[in-house]
Amino acid sequence: IQMTQSPSSLSASLGDRVTITCRASQSVFNYLNWYQQKPGKAPKLLIYAASTLQSGVPSRFSGSGSGTEFTLTISSLQPEDFATYYCHQSYTSPRTFGQGTRVEI
Amino acid sequence: QVQLQESGPGLVKPSQTLSLTCTVSGASMSSDGYYWSWVRQHPGKALEWIGYIYYTGSTYYNPSLKSQVTISVDTSNNQFSLKLTSVSAADTAVYYCARDKRLNNFAGAFDVWGQGTMVTVSS
Repeated sequence: IQMTQSPSSLSASLGDRVTITCRASQSVFNYLNWYQQKPGKAPKLLIYAASTLQSGVPSRFSGSGSGTEFTLTISSLQPEDFATYYCHQSYTSPRTFGQGTRVEI
Repeated sequence: QVQLQESGPGLVKPSQTLSLTCTVSGASMSSDGYYWSWVRQHPGKALEWIGYIYYTGSTYYNPSLKSQVTISVDTSNNQFSLKLTSVSAADTAVYYCARDKRLNNFAGAFDVWGQGTMVTVSS
């Protein structure tokens, strides 16, 4: 299953609402996860099963969608949110990731 | 808390075998509901899932790498390992081990990651 994210990169300001879209080439139901990765660091799980916030993740992050279209929303961008975000489907193997969305200042 | 740590050579010659080990601390690999994966990331590129193993030894590999990959588990030492044979420059990447927390019997999420280890394939 191919995962396509849009946009590939975006520029935003502190306090902005940011939305990233992930589309699957076929339905993955709600088996869609989102990760945040900062330079030189491992990815960090933000949301799993499309909309469930991982423990310890700030509530400004939210996820929605099902089937083939999903969104990750950051309600009010904070300095620590500038990073690259990846979607990931776990409905079927091989697991596949989107190409990433870089969020820049 | 659960921690994963990769170890292994940072430089491998072309055509040789890349071998990495992931040591799990803070939890038993034999716990139900968790699989153990390897993921890699080519420089400046997206993430690529390599394969996973269950503590029983059951494995599943990415078909794109299946001919090269072997993942094994050593529950007595709480470790799992990756072997990638016949490597080339295309296998130069950061390699991560990760815990796959299962939501059901087929889907999950990578909830704990190692810090990653850079492996360069070069003569």
